[in-house]
Amino acid sequence: EPEVTQTPSHQVTQMGQEVILRCVPISNHLYFYWYRQILGQKVEFLVSFYNNEISEKSEIFDDQFSVERPDGSNFTLKIRSTKLEDSAMYFCASAGQGANEQYFGPGTRLTVT
Amino acid sequence: AQSVTQLGSHVSVSEGALVLLRCNYSSSVPPYLFWYVQYPNQGLQLLLKYTTGATLVKGINGFEAEFKKSETSFHLTKPSAHMSDAAEYFCAVSLTRGFQKLVFGTGTRLLVSP
Repeated sequence: EPEVTQTPSHQVTQMGQEVILRCVPISNHLYFYWYRQILGQKVEFLVSFYNNEISEKSEIFDDQFSVERPDGSNFTLKIRSTKLEDSAMYFCASAGQGANEQYFGPGTRLTVT
Repeated sequence: AQSVTQLGSHVSVSEGALVLLRCNYSSSVPPYLFWYVQYPNQGLQLLLKYTTGATLVKGINGFEAEFKKSETSFHLTKPSAHMSDAAEYFCAVSLTRGFQKLVFGTGTRLLVSP
């Protein structure tokens, strides 16, 4: 069964460093999303992406964040200068035609020290 | 703006007992509604969804949920709990048009005792 994959599963970085979180969505999907979940809190929407551009972004998704689909398979989230409060689990999701069901990856746990 | 309220951050049941996890939503337009399950150290897995049509929807692992527009609710039930059902459950809502973001509730941790 097709699935969304994410790498790495766990990333530890120092405050101020850049990180890139990688996702491989399901191959025929067209819509892509990033969400995050701070420990003990609810899952929050960050950004949605379609047709090689951002469709919607939340207030959390400030200038420190960017997304890219560098090739036909990967979807990346970059944080330019990490802060302690960026520590969270980051989930990638994708949806196919019709887009009424999002499939989530297993997440990347980002720890900023 | 849309929002989701899940009553009860923790629900404890005995194995074999009825599971009832509550979800109420707020939406300016008819929504799509979802229940996701998260097992420890894993991602989110879709249990079931309501988009249109029949208001009682059945999902995986014996779970079902009923969309009640008049009560703005989408409660999740399972007749008989199994130990393997212990997990975090998230209710989510999205707008029906386009590929809208999911807005999640705060989650309910289901504890199942022998």
